[in-house]
Amino acid sequence: DAKTTQPTSMDCAEGRAANLPCNHSTISGNEYVYWYRQIHSQGPQYIIHGLKNNETNEMASLIITEDRKSSTLILPHATLRDTAVYYCIVRVAGYGGSQGNLIFGKGTKLSVKP
Amino acid sequence: DVKVTQSSRYLVKRTGEKVFLECVQDMDHENMFWYRQDPGLGLRLIYFSYDVKMKEKGDIPEGYSVSREKKERFSLILESASTNQTSMYLCASSNPGLALGTQYFGPGTRLTVL
Repeated sequence: DAKTTQPTSMDCAEGRAANLPCNHSTISGNEYVYWYRQIHSQGPQYIIHGLKNNETNEMASLIITEDRKSSTLILPHATLRDTAVYYCIVRVAGYGGSQGNLIFGKGTKLSVKP
Repeated sequence: DVKVTQSSRYLVKRTGEKVFLECVQDMDHENMFWYRQDPGLGLRLIYFSYDVKMKEKGDIPEGYSVSREKKERFSLILESASTNQTSMYLCASSNPGLALGTQYFGPGTRLTVL
């Protein structure tokens, strides 16, 4: 079972920030938070990941609460092309065996509207 | 730009046929993965490989085998296709260690078994 909880769906107006929440209350100290998205009929796309500090890249920002029990993915200026299912995943860092798994839950379907 | 390619976007086969799904990555990644994605079930890991000629079973390996003769190529084999193997198949690759969770996915192959 996925160790994260996300809302089933969200809407966002084009040009506005999209804030996607994720709860991971049972996260362990050695587990990272990863975000992926999947645009319809395409493979999943890596967005960003973090351990405890906030992270930013060219696609998004990741805000992780101090207790690490929840996080928020922020798309600063959402466009219609950001319409997708967004997955929040927690997994251990490191190599080997079933640690290679990414366990995708149901994700949040983000609809960006004009 | 990172690239994972899959041999076909759409494939239709008959029950009992042997099916080969090919995946090639050009990022010199050590790890490669095969997932299947079904509505309501999310992505499930079938097999993964962390080195040439090495493979490990994922969560649902039954009915599948894999081959990794070269670092850049990972093949998924359905020895005798069945209708319950109708699905979207996704290949991914990554590097080991802390980068293991950063997986790059191909576009997917939608397989229909009649």
